[in-house]
Amino acid sequence: KQEVTQIPAALSVPEGENLVLNCSFTDSAIYNLQWFRQDPGKGLTSLLLIQSSQREQTSGRLNASLDKSSGRSTLYIAASQPGDSATYLCAAPSQGKLIFGQGTTLQVKP
Amino acid sequence: GAGVSQTPSNKVTEKGKYVELRCDPISGHTALYWYRQSLGQGPEFLIYFQGTGAADDSGLPNDRFFAVRPEGSVSTLKIQRTERGDSAVYLCASSPLRGGFTDTQYFGPGTRLTVL
Repeated sequence: KQEVTQIPAALSVPEGENLVLNCSFTDSAIYNLQWFRQDPGKGLTSLLLIQSSQREQTSGRLNASLDKSSGRSTLYIAASQPGDSATYLCAAPSQGKLIFGQGTTLQVKP
Repeated sequence: GAGVSQTPSNKVTEKGKYVELRCDPISGHTALYWYRQSLGQGPEFLIYFQGTGAADDSGLPNDRFFAVRPEGSVSTLKIQRTERGDSAVYLCASSPLRGGFTDTQYFGPGTRLTVL
């Protein structure tokens, strides 16, 4: 059974800092891993999807990596901005459905 | 084009009542998913449709919960005899291919259900 864990649950950083969010999963036989952003009271916005054949994906200031052998993925945010404040969720597919971590709530202080 | 839409955005009901939550997926998407998100938690899977049929309903918590997708497009999640513990945000997502493992799921804004 796939389980997904995110640490830390919350993170507060000053504007401009580079940061890393962590995601771990128990079943390494995954086809892909997806990172989402969720703003308060809103739905989920897909940020990056990394296929199992890839090691990383980049979109603007975001870079996500995937290491299946260790059961880990990281989301790197460069030069953080107050607008990056949100909850970040990672999810791994399991038999067609997504298994989500609990999320990391990020606050970027101006 | 339009994304996934969900109605209503908010629903307040009394314990014991019946509610219906609606999801309009992205046009042409064959796979549709329902998730439930409690405060401070990640979304939890409820049910997955491939076309009109429920391919996996293993996440439905009990028989008070039921979902349909009669024409392979719009889906309705139905909750009978609501309980206070049903209060959560109900999220719908759709994906473009035949539910393949490489699909990106596109989420709607959710329906916030409050059971008093």
